[in-house]
Formats: sequence, structure tokens, C-alpha cells
Amino acid sequence: DAGITQSPRHKVTETGTPVTLRCHQTENHRYMYWYRQDPGHGLRLIHYSYGVKDTDKGEVSDGYSVSRSKTEDFLLTLESATSSQTSVYFCAISAVETGGSTGELFFGEGSRLTVL
Amino acid sequence: AQSVTQLGSHVSVSEGALVLLRCNYSSSVPPYLFWYVQYPNQGLQLLLKYTSAATLVKGINGFEAEFKKSETSFHLTKPSAHMSDAAEYFCAVSDRGSSASKIIFGSGTRLSIRP
Repeated sequence: DAGITQSPRHKVTETGTPVTLRCHQTENHRYMYWYRQDPGHGLRLIHYSYGVKDTDKGEVSDGYSVSRSKTEDFLLTLESATSSQTSVYFCAISAVETGGSTGELFFGEGSRLTVL
Repeated sequence: AQSVTQLGSHVSVSEGALVLLRCNYSSSVPPYLFWYVQYPNQGLQLLLKYTSAATLVKGINGFEAEFKKSETSFHLTKPSAHMSDAAEYFCAVSDRGSSASKIIFGSGTRLSIRP
């Protein structure tokens, strides 16, 4: 199994509080991704990173920010959590090949966030 | 920008019957295409991947998918369904050769197998 650890795995918080989810990898992969999974919507890309300090927005980035100060860690922050951000969040990593990502994702186990 | 459309949020087939899960994609550049499977309470795992080497791609557990550029489709099939195939299946697309590689997923198709 790919060495991907997400923390925390479960969190309950209140509306308006900040929340940070951490993704840690031991594979030294260049690409890292944050997705959220909601019934009927599949996986939606929030933000992704293609290198240290290189990040970009995905499909549903409003209300989220990310940081990647070193290869192994990719942090997802909800500055002021809302109930619409209740979801399961998955981190994924991907290796690099000529010109970009291989496209093959390895997923973490997910972080279940409930915003009351 | 890439996008993926999966037709049918839920498909039910009898054990031993053909499985067909539909996926259409949109991409401005030649794509990579993927099918992932998610079993209950688990993360996603790769079933198969299209990278242009061959239009018919074989994956794990007897699944295969055919890339049809003219139809912008990448449908997933399995000749004979097994009870263990019950899961949610996701089609995904990535632009090939971009250093900033987004990977976009469809909304998923839940496959149920009837005894």
C-alpha cells in the first residue's frame, strides 16, 4: 500500500471555526491532490499540487486553501467551516512521468468532517 | 478543461450477466482515462488506465474498457458479473503531458448484482 496518512480521520466542528486536514506521504511523489466525496457528486477536486509551493485550484476551491512547504505534506485548510463543507475528504498522490503526472492516483483512507 | 460524464448513477445486473458502465469524456488535448473502483467503506483503487498504447485496455478482476475517440467514450465492461463486483465505479480523465495535471472524476455509478 502507498504510504499516505491523513489526519485527523474523523472531526466534528462548529460553523465558523478553522479546520486543517493533513496529508502525509512517504513515497516522495510530486503530485498531491485533495478531493471531497459527496453522494451524487462523486469525487470533486478541491486543490492540487505539482511540486513544493506549486498549487492550483480545482473544481470546488471556494472556502478552501492549501499549502505545501515540503514534498511529503499537503495541508487543506477551511478558514471558516460551513455546514456545506461536511464531507469525506480524500488525499491522493501521483508519481511523475515525462511531461506530467502518470495520472494513477493512490488514495489515503479519507477524513470524515462534520460541521454542525 | 476536462470533464467526465457517467451515464446512470445506479446499474443493477444479475450474477453472470454482462456489466456495462458508461463514461463519456471531454478534453481539449489527448487524455489519459481511468476507471477506479470503491468498495464499501474503502478508498478508491485503480481498475485500469488508458494511455494511448492500445484502445482496448484490460484491467483487474476481468474488467476491460475501450477508448473510442470518435464517440469520446471509455465504457467499462465485464462479460460475467460476480457478486463481489458490487461497488461504486468512477471514470476519470487527465490531460496528458501537462506539468500541472488535474485529474477529474465523474459522479460515479453504483453497481448492484442480483443473485
